[in-house]
Amino acid sequence: GENVEQHPSTLSVQEGDSAVIKCTYSDSASNYFPWYKQELGKGPQLIIDIRSNVGEKKDQRIAVTLNKTAKHFSLHITETQPEDSAVYFCAARAGGGADGLTFGKGTHLIIQP
Amino acid sequence: EPEVTQTPSHQVTQMGQEVILRCVPISNHLYFYWYRQILGQKVEFLVSFYNNEISEKSEIFDDQFSVERPDGSNFTLKIRSTKLEDSAMYFCAVLQGGNSGNTIYFGEGSWLTVV
Repeated sequence: GENVEQHPSTLSVQEGDSAVIKCTYSDSASNYFPWYKQELGKGPQLIIDIRSNVGEKKDQRIAVTLNKTAKHFSLHITETQPEDSAVYFCAARAGGGADGLTFGKGTHLIIQP
Repeated sequence: EPEVTQTPSHQVTQMGQEVILRCVPISNHLYFYWYRQILGQKVEFLVSFYNNEISEKSEIFDDQFSVERPDGSNFTLKIRSTKLEDSAMYFCAVLQGGNSGNTIYFGEGSWLTVV
């Protein structure tokens, strides 16, 4: 089955700096890669996703890149703000709607004021 | 983003008791899912549900678990005889179609504590 590795487990950056979180996946059939933000005691909130027919996607301060050959994808947050502090999870899925997402172990992003 | 309401938000139960967790998606969706997250760990897929039957399930989803959508609205996860290791946050999720493809949205979760 799919295995998703996520690094780093904790990332501390100064407010206003950029943050990058990286994930690798094992199943070359995976075609959907969402990123979720989870605040304490809440459910995962989708922040951006990318599909295998696209190499990069951007939404304001957030961007995701995908390298299918190397089987890795990354989340980039620019101009970080205190409200960006949370746990971020990457995930991957092969197949269609029936298949579950395989999540990484999460990155605790800390924005230092 | 669709609204997915889960109840209860928190439940404490004795080991061996049955628990039912409920999910009410506001809009109609094709696929429904249950995931769980043990404290401090990653989110894990349990089961997907389509057209009133199970589509896929993980190794975690053994015989003590069952899902149903009894009235066409509520989507439930039943744990028949709870064990200590079932203590976790359980998330309902739905698949929603959009212009750029299908996306999975999660509810706020039900925190289950087995004592």
